[in-house]
Amino acid sequence: EAGVTQFPSHSVIEKGQTVTLRCDPISGHDNLYWYRRVMGKEIKFLLHFVKESKQDESGMPNNRFLAERTGGTYSTLKVQPAELEDSGVYFCASSKGQGLSYEQYFGPGTRLTVT
Amino acid sequence: AQSVTQPDIHITVSEGASLELRCNYSYGATPYLFWYVQSPGQGLQLLLKYFSGDTLVQGIKGFEAEFKRSQSSFNLRKPSVHWSDAAEYFCAVGSIQYNFNKFYFGSGTKLNVKP
Repeated sequence: EAGVTQFPSHSVIEKGQTVTLRCDPISGHDNLYWYRRVMGKEIKFLLHFVKESKQDESGMPNNRFLAERTGGTYSTLKVQPAELEDSGVYFCASSKGQGLSYEQYFGPGTRLTVT
Repeated sequence: AQSVTQPDIHITVSEGASLELRCNYSYGATPYLFWYVQSPGQGLQLLLKYFSGDTLVQGIKGFEAEFKRSQSSFNLRKPSVHWSDAAEYFCAVGSIQYNFNKFYFGSGTKLNVKP
């Protein structure tokens, strides 16, 4: 069974540009999560999808970030326009269900560098 | 507010030596605690979790952790470290408010293993 995959693994863009990160969850996992780790600090929750619906987007930092999950399969996270403070590692995770019984499986992350 | 503190940013131990990684949490209710490991180029992998019951929990790869409510701690231990344990370790608390879907992570501890 393939794990959670993320693309690209690394992206370097200039301030003001747009970047789109992609996450492919494990097949059959309805729940998809985005997290971010900035400058070696703690990993912070961004949002949670159940199928194509956003269940919790309380961690999204501002309206420059747009997450979508059309069709309930893969998800994209767009940053437009990117700022220096958006640099960090963006993790995606997926789980089959919600709650204690279901483990979240994490992808390797996308390292975003904004110059 | 929920938070997790990992006071050690880097730790170096010799192969075969014992290991203890510290984790302190701040949480208003019964905590649900996790340890994850990230090896280079890999996603975060769940090592172990504590929900209730026995305060000493066993995980994969020979790791264990002990929940101490009086100290608000959930330290990770391994009696004999292997070179393959070199990685970054994250402690996390799950939020009951969000049906455990939302994790609060610490800032991580990087483990180096000397031959």
